[in-house]
Amino acid sequence: DQQVKQNSPSLSVQEGRISILNCDYTNSMFDYFLWYKKYPAEGPTFLISISSIKDKNEDGRFTVFLNKSAKHLSLHIVPSQPGDSAVYFCAASGKSSGDKLTFGTGTRLAVRP
Amino acid sequence: DADVTQTPRNRITKTGKRIMLECSQTKGHDRMYWYRQDPGLGLRLIYYSFDVKDINKGEISDGYSVSRQAQAKFSLSLESAIPNQTALYFCATSDRRNLQGANEQFFGPGTRLTVL
Repeated sequence: DQQVKQNSPSLSVQEGRISILNCDYTNSMFDYFLWYKKYPAEGPTFLISISSIKDKNEDGRFTVFLNKSAKHLSLHIVPSQPGDSAVYFCAASGKSSGDKLTFGTGTRLAVRP
Repeated sequence: DADVTQTPRNRITKTGKRIMLECSQTKGHDRMYWYRQDPGLGLRLIYYSFDVKDINKGEISDGYSVSRQAQAKFSLSLESAIPNQTALYFCATSDRRNLQGANEQFFGPGTRLTVL
């Protein structure tokens, strides 16, 4: 049972435009949602997170939006840069799951120059 | 300056062999994790340890065992490797004192394991 889903395996965007990566979840008990970025031959690195009591969190070019009623979150990257090309994982955690992270399957973003 | 290191980075082995993957961290974190990544399946938790005396199974622990030798070291063993254990393996750490509560985890660079 996939509790965290990323339905788009890949996304291609022109440099300078907005990239929107989506994530859906099924467990309403999750307390936090995180986005990780992964380059080839490296481990995932933390990008941004959001608490379930908020609907938006912004950090520079990266903004995460949370819609609890729809059990949906999205990561916006504006403007997109070629260095943003990577695999992005959505993850969720909560006290009900012992603070463990549950990851989505990832979306590969390609930013075209 | 690597805070979470994994050895080896690449390993090719044969079916039935015993393999150990090692993870060390200098972050001073108490929590450590082992994940595997397979194409199209994301990261799945194998084992986790919240301190030296606390080790727990994750969602896919069958065929694996772990040892937490010290707060800074967490090793993963495949007692008798099989081809479907071919994957990327990641170690991660987190700090229970993270007041933000998101349980941000810090990952090592990964070990690519191939079982022939």
